[in-house]
Amino acid sequence: SQELEQSPQSLIVQEGKNLTINCTSSKTLYGLYWYKQKYGEGLIFLMMLQKGGEEKSHEKITAKLDEKKQQSSLHITASQPSHAGIYLCANAGGTSYGKLTFGQGTILTVHP
Amino acid sequence: DTGVSQDPRHKITKRGQNVTFRCDPISEHNRLYWYRQTLGQGPEFLTYFQNEAQLEKSRLLSDRFSAERPKGSFSTLEIQRTEQGDSAMYLCASSNLPNQPQHFGDGTRLSIL
Repeated sequence: SQELEQSPQSLIVQEGKNLTINCTSSKTLYGLYWYKQKYGEGLIFLMMLQKGGEEKSHEKITAKLDEKKQQSSLHITASQPSHAGIYLCANAGGTSYGKLTFGQGTILTVHP
Repeated sequence: DTGVSQDPRHKITKRGQNVTFRCDPISEHNRLYWYRQTLGQGPEFLTYFQNEAQLEKSRLLSDRFSAERPKGSFSTLEIQRTEQGDSAMYLCASSNLPNQPQHFGDGTRLSIL
């Protein structure tokens, strides 16, 4: 099993709907990163969470890290077609050099 | 900030050939990472450089793989005697501190015929 499990694996929503993607870790999350990837392209950094209970927002996207630092959620409000892509969570793993361990990704499709 | 640049974007080669990819990180970033991503999976860590020193290598990096960062700026990743299983997207990322976000390039997609 993977160190980071994302759910759901894929998600299809109608434009304007809210949605949540979850990321659960089998280990303590030292630094939890959310990235977005469009098919065939690189990763775009969205947000970083480090403290238990931390919550950050950027435009219509909100990410939270639970108190026990083993689960994070990404919430999109009033989704738009531009939100479509693959969302990946990653754990910095507590190493001095910052190696990232990624979840398998959640594929989001937004229908206009 | 011109971002992380990778070249080429796509590489198609026959099994058994050698290939080399290049990564130019963001100029002030001294940390450089290589990852490999296969279809339907998240990226997997391959190796890490701090300046010109290669400080960590994954077990995924077999003897056929070698990476360099000779002057602490750009990096190259070479795969010798390519195999079908090497087909993947190879991603490069850079950062300037361990707890700062890594910024990724658009990757090099390798296809082995």
